Amino acid sequence: AQSVTQLGSHVSVSEGALVLLRCNYSSSVPPYLFWYVQYPNQGLQLLLKYTSAATLVKGINGFEAEFKKSETSFHLTKPSAHMSDAAEYFCAVSDNTGRRALTFGSGTRLQVQP
Amino acid sequence: NAGVTQTPKFRVLKTGQSMTLLCAQDMNHEYMYWYRQDPGMGLRLIHYSVGEGTTAKGEVPDGYNVSRLKKQNFLLGLESAAPSQTSVYFCASSNRGGNTEAFFGQGTRLTVV
Repeated sequence: AQSVTQLGSHVSVSEGALVLLRCNYSSSVPPYLFWYVQYPNQGLQLLLKYTSAATLVKGINGFEAEFKKSETSFHLTKPSAHMSDAAEYFCAVSDNTGRRALTFGSGTRLQVQP
Repeated sequence: NAGVTQTPKFRVLKTGQSMTLLCAQDMNHEYMYWYRQDPGMGLRLIHYSVGEGTTAKGEVPDGYNVSRLKKQNFLLGLESAAPSQTSVYFCASSNRGGNTEAFFGQGTRLTVV
C-alpha cells in the first residue's frame, strides 16, 4: 500500500522568506506524485506533479518540488513567500492499480506573517 | 467550462435521515471519485468509478452508497446519516493514466446532528 507523510501540520513563515513543506512517500513502484493547494472554503487545485520526466518540477505561483528517490521525498519549496500563499497544502501519490486514486498526506497549513 | 460541480454546497441532516450528493463533470472523464476530508486526516477515498455503470469501494465506504448511471454524474448516498459522517465531501474526476491530474469540485459541507 502506498502512503504519504507530511511533516508539520502547521508552518509559519514571514513574507519574503523561503517556504519549505516536507513530503515523504512510500511506494513499491515508481510513483506519480502531486502537490495540491486548498484555499479556505474551496476545492483542491493542482500546484505541480512529478511524472518521471524531470526530478525538479516547476509549478504554478512560483512553487517547485524536487523528487529524490534515495530519500523517498518530494518537498515543496518557494523562494519568497507571499501573503496570498497562505493555504493548506496536500502531497499525494497516485495509485498504481487500475483505479488511479490519490492517497493524500494529512496536509500542512501555511501561515504567512507580514 | 464548469469542470466538476457538486450540489449541494452545505447541508445539515438529523441522525437517521438520508440524502444524496450529486457530482457532475463536463470533461468527459472516465474516472470519478468521492473523498471525505476531516481535520488532520487529509482526504480519504470513499468510493470510486472507472467508467459508466461501474463502482467500487475505497478505504472508508461504510455507510455510503454510490451510483454512476451516466458518465458525467457520480452520486453519493447516505441511507441513514450518523454524526460520524459530519465532514466535507469532495468529488473528483480524471482521465485514464496514473500521471494525469484529478480535478476537484468545491466540496459539500455536511453536518449531521
